Parts: sequence; structure tokens; C-alpha cells
Amino acid sequence: QSVLTQPPSVSGAPGQRVTISCTGSGSNIGADYDVHWYQQIPGTAPKLLIYGKTNRPSGVPDRFSASNSGTSASLAIAGLQAEDEADYYCQSYDNILSGSVFGGGTKLTVL
Amino acid sequence: QVQLQESGPGLVKPSGTLSLTCAVSGGSIRSTDWWSWVRQPPGMGLEWIGDASHSGITKYNPSLKSRLTISLDNSKNQFSLEVNSVTAADTAFYYCARKRAVGTAYYFDYWGQGTLVTVSS
Repeated sequence: QSVLTQPPSVSGAPGQRVTISCTGSGSNIGADYDVHWYQQIPGTAPKLLIYGKTNRPSGVPDRFSASNSGTSASLAIAGLQAEDEADYYCQSYDNILSGSVFGGGTKLTVL
Repeated sequence: QVQLQESGPGLVKPSGTLSLTCAVSGGSIRSTDWWSWVRQPPGMGLEWIGDASHSGITKYNPSLKSRLTISLDNSKNQFSLEVNSVTAADTAFYYCARKRAVGTAYYFDYWGQGTLVTVSS
């Protein structure tokens, strides 16, 4: 049972836009701790995708964007490409656990 | 470019101790960043294990805290993880990572490639 809740799977056709939600509580996202997003291609390590709400590391295309409101956050991927097929994780800080927390992960399938 | 590389036994016996090391290159563990461990059981999600800072502060996942030790070795620019009294539930890919703490943002920007540790007799 993850502290942050994500849908197990989402899918979309090439070129479409998909969103992945991440729901937390008042001790993490709702306490205004930033939400960060990671992409994990099966068999490889997670890769930082978005940090500090809206920042993208060098090399991450601007098709990836994020937003949050209240106790939830979301990742949007525009112009879906086959290479976007991966698992996506949200992550934040929880002040009750005094540590980092992850969502359970969402598998993105590009149809 | 910071690079991290995990090393350690891939097989540990039940009730034994899991010991892993993460070698850091391209950056110093004496920096103000945190040095962390994250694990992922095969086919499952990510779980934060704990962090250590250059100042000697450690933070552990409460669910694992009683069995954990994370330590830094400044002379070798590496850090280590020990998990005592392991069971099959500790079987996972173990990743070391650098964690940045900037205001209300705590995130992992560099990751090792991961190493699979299996707990089995």
C-alpha cells in the first residue's frame, strides 16, 4: 500500500495526450511538499523526469509537464510516442514518516 | 556528471545481513546532498529505504528502521547499506541514488543501475 496513489495503468495512441494522477494527503502533497516524477523503462533504473513541480532535467522533452492542486498532482504527456511506453512514478516528502514516499507506479501503454 | 555504482553479494541467506556499497564518481559525498537507497521488489513499485548526509545525519524508513544502517566513507567516496535479519520479503533490486534537498523539494536526480539481491537458502 503506497502512501501516494496512482492508477495502475493508462494508455493512449501515438500523438495523443495522456495524464497520470498522483493522490496524497495533508502530510505530503497537501503540506506543500513538491511532487517529482520518474520514468522507468523495464530493466533499467528510474530516471528523473520532472522535479520541483515543473522543472525538467536537461534532455527531457517539453512534451512532459506536471501540475498539482491540493493533495493531488498529475503528469501530462503530450504527443505520445512509442518510446514513452514505460512505468511512471510520483514521489514526494511526508512529514509524518519524515522521509520520501513514492506512488505505486503507472504503466503507460502506447497503443 | 555524477555516476553511482552498486556492488555486493547477489544472494543472502535468510536471517543474514544484506550489505551493499555504492561508489560515487563525478561528485563528492562531502557535498550538501543526501545519499540514499531505494529498493524495488521484482515486478513491484519503488520503496525508499533511507538517506545519509555528509554531516552524519541519517533518516530511515520507519518500516525498516530497526534493521538498517546507512554509512558514508569519505576516504573512498562511497556509501553503504546494511539490512539485518533479512527474509524473502527483502528480495529486491536495490538502487543507490543522490537526493537533492532544495526548500520543499526532495528528489533523486542521479541513480545507480541497480543490483538484484535475492534472499534464499
